[in-house]
Amino acid sequence: AQSVTQLGSHVSVSEGALVLLRCNYSSSVPPYLFWYVQYPNQGLQLLLKYTSAATLVKGINGFEAEFKKSETSFHLTKPSAHMSDAAEYFCAVSDISPGNTPLVFGKGTRLSVIA
Amino acid sequence: EAQVTQNPRYLITVTGKKLTVTCSQNMNHEYMSWYRQDPGLGLRQIYYSMNVEVTDKGDVPEGYKVSRKEKRNFPLILESPSPNQTSLYFCASRVRDGVTQYFGPGTRLLVL
Repeated sequence: AQSVTQLGSHVSVSEGALVLLRCNYSSSVPPYLFWYVQYPNQGLQLLLKYTSAATLVKGINGFEAEFKKSETSFHLTKPSAHMSDAAEYFCAVSDISPGNTPLVFGKGTRLSVIA
Repeated sequence: EAQVTQNPRYLITVTGKKLTVTCSQNMNHEYMSWYRQDPGLGLRQIYYSMNVEVTDKGDVPEGYKVSRKEKRNFPLILESPSPNQTSLYFCASRVRDGVTQYFGPGTRLLVL
């Protein structure tokens, strides 16, 4: 069964500092990988996704993630944090086979940005 | 605007009082799904539907029912809500063999 591990339930960075949110997945075959962001009292918004094309994926709001098969990782980064990046971030994985491919989510990482 | 809508957004109810949370999408998506989000657990799938009249259980279906009579609608039914169903619920949809799921704004439910 697939699973996702997000290291750190809470990450705090200074404004302008590098953001690094860690995600490791467990899957027998390379899956599809996603990062979603949830702003306070809002729904889930897709930041970026990996679907077996380029291993470095660029998303919205300056975020990017790199798929590393050897490390089974899909860490999310942003060079310079902004106050508006404060939110909860979820890494998710899904199977590439057709049919029901539910998203399996990590437990989330809350990002705080300090002025 | 392409979107998934949910109603109500917030609901407080009492144990045992039947309720329905509606979900509607205007993207002509075949696949729809319900998730619940709980602190420290992330999101878990409750039920899904591959198309009209085709539904199946996800990881945490106990205490829930769904129906899919129309392509655009996928209501979540709690016949006899209990306090352990207090949660944040999300509906999502995608095209049948698509990759990306689109999420609704969420429904926050409190069962007293």
